[in-house]
Amino acid sequence: DAGVIQSPRHEVTEMGQEVTLRCKPISGHNSLFWYRQTMMRGLELLIYFNNNVPIDDSGMPEDRFSAKMPNASFSTLKIQPSEPRDSAVYFCASSLLADPTDTQYFGPGTRLTVL
Amino acid sequence: AQTVTQSQPEMSVQEAETVTLSCTYDTSESDYYLFWYKQPPSRQMILVIRQEAYKQQNATENRFSVNFQKAAKSFSLKISDSQLGDAAMYFCAYSGGGADGLTFGKGTHLIIQP
Repeated sequence: DAGVIQSPRHEVTEMGQEVTLRCKPISGHNSLFWYRQTMMRGLELLIYFNNNVPIDDSGMPEDRFSAKMPNASFSTLKIQPSEPRDSAVYFCASSLLADPTDTQYFGPGTRLTVL
Repeated sequence: AQTVTQSQPEMSVQEAETVTLSCTYDTSESDYYLFWYKQPPSRQMILVIRQEAYKQQNATENRFSVNFQKAAKSFSLKISDSQLGDAAMYFCAYSGGGADGLTFGKGTHLIIQP
């Protein structure tokens, strides 16, 4: 199995630009999670999908952030407009069961730098 | 809200020795899961071990074992026979029955001295 796939691995953009991060979960997994990792705040859950439906988006910091999961094999996290404080590593994770306590498998992350 | 605390920002151990990383958590739930994840310089988050709160037996995966003390809300990770490849950030994480995903501690940076 290829594991969770994220693209791009690195993204550098200028303030005000739109950024789209992509994730392909492990085939057959029913839950997908987006996390953000910064030095100051550590790892934080942004949003969680269960069978393609957003369950908990309370961690999404602002309306500038949006996430979609149009099908079981693809999700996007979009930031529009981006700001320098959005610079972080963004992780996508998936789990087999539609249960947040199930083991989550992480992708390699996308390092986002907003200048 | 649940919180996870890792009180050791950095730990150092000699190769082949044993090291214990500490983790405490706060929750009002009785049924939950605890995890240790490893993050090497590649940034990949790798599951090390998982413990279900209703199981009294401590989880073990090869050289990795936990000391789970439910009453004390403590979940420490013991690494035996430390190897150079164990050098990484280690994150303790909690997951309860609510739709909250994982709550992570701040991490412990483990250094292996050759």
